[in-house]
Amino acid sequence: EVQLVESGGGLVQPGGSLRLSCEVSGFTFSTFWMNWVRQAPGKGLEWVANIKPDGGEKYYVDSVKGRFTISRDNAKKSLYLQMNSLRVEDTAVYYCARDLSAAGNFDFWGHGTLVTVSS
Amino acid sequence: EVVLTQSPATLSLSPGERATLSCRASQSVGIFLAWYQQKPGQAPRLLIYDTSNRATGVPARFSGSGSGTDFTLTISSLEPEDFALYYCQQRSDWPPFTFGQGTRLDIK
Repeated sequence: EVQLVESGGGLVQPGGSLRLSCEVSGFTFSTFWMNWVRQAPGKGLEWVANIKPDGGEKYYVDSVKGRFTISRDNAKKSLYLQMNSLRVEDTAVYYCARDLSAAGNFDFWGHGTLVTVSS
Repeated sequence: EVVLTQSPATLSLSPGERATLSCRASQSVGIFLAWYQQKPGQAPRLLIYDTSNRATGVPARFSGSGSGTDFTLTISSLEPEDFALYYCQQRSDWPPFTFGQGTRLDIK
């Protein structure tokens, strides 16, 4: 059974940092592109970043470029999102999602982890 | 960036009725459009990818059609568990992948 489990969310002040993790099981992690997608409270979905299976390519939405870093450890079957210089508008549930097609079909999602940026 | 506009914002129907949800893209996305279902407190679920391909385990009452800039998700006969939020998403021109703002399907 495919499972993705996020952790690391919490309350952080503006300007602070947080590192999210996503541990996966039930599939060969090292062969799939992986993504982070977020959802602000009561709002729609926003794709944040993705990473190639070998970690050699990474892409970001403009609003997080230079502040967030996506990475992965294939040996640990884990995906990460390092978030620096956090802003109030980064408040959201952050989901990790597997990419079915290596280019934007998100077929399995974790349950999400809530990040709240507030003073 | 490709902007996706979904309509209507809310659709109120009864179980057994047919639902038609629309998604319009600001530029052609070819066939590279997907649909997701989201229920309260849950993660999104992939229903349809590349316009008309049902994801694993998705019932046959869900179907997708369209191309270019206009797409439709059809639920042929609504079941009680189908009342949820629905999002479209394009993967034609990325980054970024973009989502529509969602259509809420309510029980009438």
